[in-house]
Amino acid sequence: NAGVTQTPKFRVLKTGQSMTLLCAQDMNHEYMYWYRQDPGMGLRLIHYSVGEGTTAKGEVPDGYNVSRLKKQNFLLGLESAAPSQTSVYFCASSKGSYPYQETQYFGPGTRLLVL
Amino acid sequence: DQQVKQNSPSLSVQEGRISILNCDYTNSMFDYFLWYKKYPAEGPTFLISISSIKDKNEDGRFTVFLNKSAKHLSLHIVPSQPGDSAVYFCAASGGGTYKYIFGTGTRLKVLA
Repeated sequence: NAGVTQTPKFRVLKTGQSMTLLCAQDMNHEYMYWYRQDPGMGLRLIHYSVGEGTTAKGEVPDGYNVSRLKKQNFLLGLESAAPSQTSVYFCASSKGSYPYQETQYFGPGTRLLVL
Repeated sequence: DQQVKQNSPSLSVQEGRISILNCDYTNSMFDYFLWYKKYPAEGPTFLISISSIKDKNEDGRFTVFLNKSAKHLSLHIVPSQPGDSAVYFCAASGGGTYKYIFGTGTRLKVLA
């Protein structure tokens, strides 16, 4: 049982390049989330999904797209990377639905540097 | 506008003493609160939670207190241990949303 895994662990991009971050969970969770963590900003929600085939915008969605084609995978795409997207990206998943809140389980993070 | 605030970026405590980490929120619709612990180069891990129907929840050395009227919660760690040194995030959810709003984190250092 690996929990939540993220690929890659670290990546360097040039401005304008594109890339996809992959998140996978083996806990059969319905809900998945992408966050970014920046110094002094905490964790900010980029996009989330409440089930296979669904996605929704979080607090800071601009410049990112997501897809949830399979229940276990949640992909985060950067179509044209910008230096402002330099950050640590965390994926998370959870089982429950409001109001029966469940905790989120986080992956180890992907460190992205955009030059 | 930051809905969840952790006003102390860092805290140092002597081993064996109590650590108190604070969190304030502004949205009265929040009804579920969590604390996460994060070590460097790792993802956050769940520590303890509390629902708004309670004012206290304990789990071993960790206790979370919720003061709804003040929109304030706190995490108490007793006794503090060097392994508790990490960044602690509080998070809040509610109002029919699936989203959690995180605070900016407090870095706790427990001195041996």
